[in-house]
Amino acid sequence: DTAVSQTPKYLVTQMGNDKSIKCEQNLGHDTMYWYKQDSKKFLKIMFSYNNKELIINETVPNRFSPKSPDKAHLNLHINSLELGDSAVYFCASSQGGLRSPLHFGNGTRLTVT
Amino acid sequence: GNSVTQMEGPVTLSEEAFLTINCTYTATGYPSLFWYVQYPGEGLQLLLKATKADDKGSNKGFEATYRKETTSFHLEKGSVQVSDSAVYFCALSEMDSSYKLIFGSGTRLLVRP
Repeated sequence: DTAVSQTPKYLVTQMGNDKSIKCEQNLGHDTMYWYKQDSKKFLKIMFSYNNKELIINETVPNRFSPKSPDKAHLNLHINSLELGDSAVYFCASSQGGLRSPLHFGNGTRLTVT
Repeated sequence: GNSVTQMEGPVTLSEEAFLTINCTYTATGYPSLFWYVQYPGEGLQLLLKATKADDKGSNKGFEATYRKETTSFHLEKGSVQVSDSAVYFCALSEMDSSYKLIFGSGTRLLVRP
């Protein structure tokens, strides 16, 4: 029944590794997002896809690469992880961009050691 | 650039107290304004929104009025409950983008019995 689901919920890894976070939504939405929430709870958009097309790409290092195989999925791959990448990453979806509310997943807590 | 400023938390109240969480914004044009709530261990959920000046958004006893003259969108509730304990985020949608939400830094609310 989960509307926006992310996996894994927790991810602990070492510096230099490559990892992926998966996101799926079953709401039939056409727009998906990745947000990063830092330790102070500050939430910042990273990427947005509409109908599998990248429409927002904030100033995020090239080590972060989103992939949208279809409208229901938006995965985030991170190469050469750094300590500063430790954060909670939220996937979200909406219909027609911001004309409808964003529905967020429960987040993936990434810890880089 | 566009930005949202919220009062720092945590805000600690006793049950049935009156709540105000301040939010002010800087934006060009007339953005839409939102309040999102994040309960522990969960993603954000839309609480209420207002799309034009003098609009009042309301939901679950919470209210906020879009004040163009003071560029504010303060969140209020007449009588808080323990279950209202969460982090509250004020956000705006940029006029030149239908896909980008700018969030404030969040305000944690703790309601004691």
